[in-house]
Amino acid sequence: EDKVVQSPLSLVVHEGDTVTLNCSYEVTNFRSLLWYKQEKKAPTFLFMLTSSGIEKKSGRLSSILDKKELFSILNITATQTGDSAIYLCAVEGGNAGNMLTFGGGTRLMVKP
Amino acid sequence: DAGVTQSPTHLIKTRGQHVTLRCSPISGHKSVSWYQQVLGQGPQFIFQYYEKEERGRGNFPDRFSARQFPNYSSELNVNALLLGDSALYLCASSLSTLDTQYFGPGTRLTVL
Repeated sequence: EDKVVQSPLSLVVHEGDTVTLNCSYEVTNFRSLLWYKQEKKAPTFLFMLTSSGIEKKSGRLSSILDKKELFSILNITATQTGDSAIYLCAVEGGNAGNMLTFGGGTRLMVKP
Repeated sequence: DAGVTQSPTHLIKTRGQHVTLRCSPISGHKSVSWYQQVLGQGPQFIFQYYEKEERGRGNFPDRFSARQFPNYSSELNVNALLLGDSALYLCASSLSTLDTQYFGPGTRLTVL
């Protein structure tokens, strides 16, 4: 059975801190790994990773994939209160279309 | 540009009733996927449709059904509602079954 596990479950930091969120996976027919940010309802797309070792970067956020060890990390530097959200890791693969298998998410709270 | 839209925003039903949720994809997107997100968990894949055909189905009972219309909008139907069907139902659209999925704001269903 396809599985995506995220850690930690939750995290409380202060503004300016750097955080690292983890995602490990076991998915058949792996095609890509995606990170989403969910603040209230709609998960918003952050990154899609398909190749090992190539860092994707967007402002203070960056992510990298290790296809040999089957994990990814999402880094957020100089955190701000607006970064408070649930961060979801999803892996595209399986045997049904391009279905996404999601982890349970990491709840990040950034205190002023 | 309009993103993925879903209706209604909130819905309250009682056990045994039937519900229909609606989704309009981003203009030009031909694939629609449905996910169920129970409180505190990551989204779980229900269906994917592309060009009006079912391309994938998750591990959900036959009480769940969906369809896609010629304009690429989609409906998710759930019959004989159970308390456990209470969740946020998310719709995601993509250009094709190989492209990044973008999520709508969801429909919050409460079953009493």
